[in-house]
Amino acid sequence: GAVVSQHPSRVICKSGTSVKIECRSLDFQATTMFWYRQFPKQSLMLMATSNEGSKATYEQGVEKDKFLINHASLTLSTLTVTSAHPEDSSFYICSARYRRGGSSEAFFGQGTRLTVV
Amino acid sequence: QKEVEQNSGPLSVPEGAIASLNCTYSDRGSQSFFWYRQYSGKSPELIMSIYSNGDKEDGRFTAQLNKASQYVSLLIRDSQPSDSATYLCAVTGMDTGRRALTFGSGTRLQVQP
Repeated sequence: GAVVSQHPSRVICKSGTSVKIECRSLDFQATTMFWYRQFPKQSLMLMATSNEGSKATYEQGVEKDKFLINHASLTLSTLTVTSAHPEDSSFYICSARYRRGGSSEAFFGQGTRLTVV
Repeated sequence: QKEVEQNSGPLSVPEGAIASLNCTYSDRGSQSFFWYRQYSGKSPELIMSIYSNGDKEDGRFTAQLNKASQYVSLLIRDSQPSDSATYLCAVTGMDTGRRALTFGSGTRLQVQP
């Protein structure tokens, strides 16, 4: 399958600071990437759809000024959690869909465990 | 009504048995169906994809799709303790890959040694 790489895998930051998470498609170009958040024992929650060269599309209830998404190239999308607070502590996962023939499967990065103290 | 529904479990099966995981979806326009496995603390990994009615087999895994009943299932034969994880069902319509998949909440599988 296609490879999606996410960095860092873990980060601890102080309340009020910002954290940037990178998501790269290593062996394919991804015009669209997706950012999810997952709290313990809960399912994936789609936060936003990142589109190369244009503004991200945010899901209802997700603050776009707090979760800044930049998709500057066909292989890189970044999520910046600004002015992080303890309630932002979560598992953040990116995904990209790899188109093969008539289908496109979604592959996930390794995830980033964010802890805000 | 949730768009993709799964029983949260846990589903407990003995080692060597067949585990049967089920998923229903509400959008009749759904065209692509996926099963992901997620170990605790890890991100989901793709196990199977299925696009047409019937069965699709890959090793110990068999995905079954019935679009008329809006039902997709995953069978795991000869279950192993290493199969213990949460299994996520995901669906999407016919698109160019610019839409996110819609995920169910997952079924936790426990394989007892």
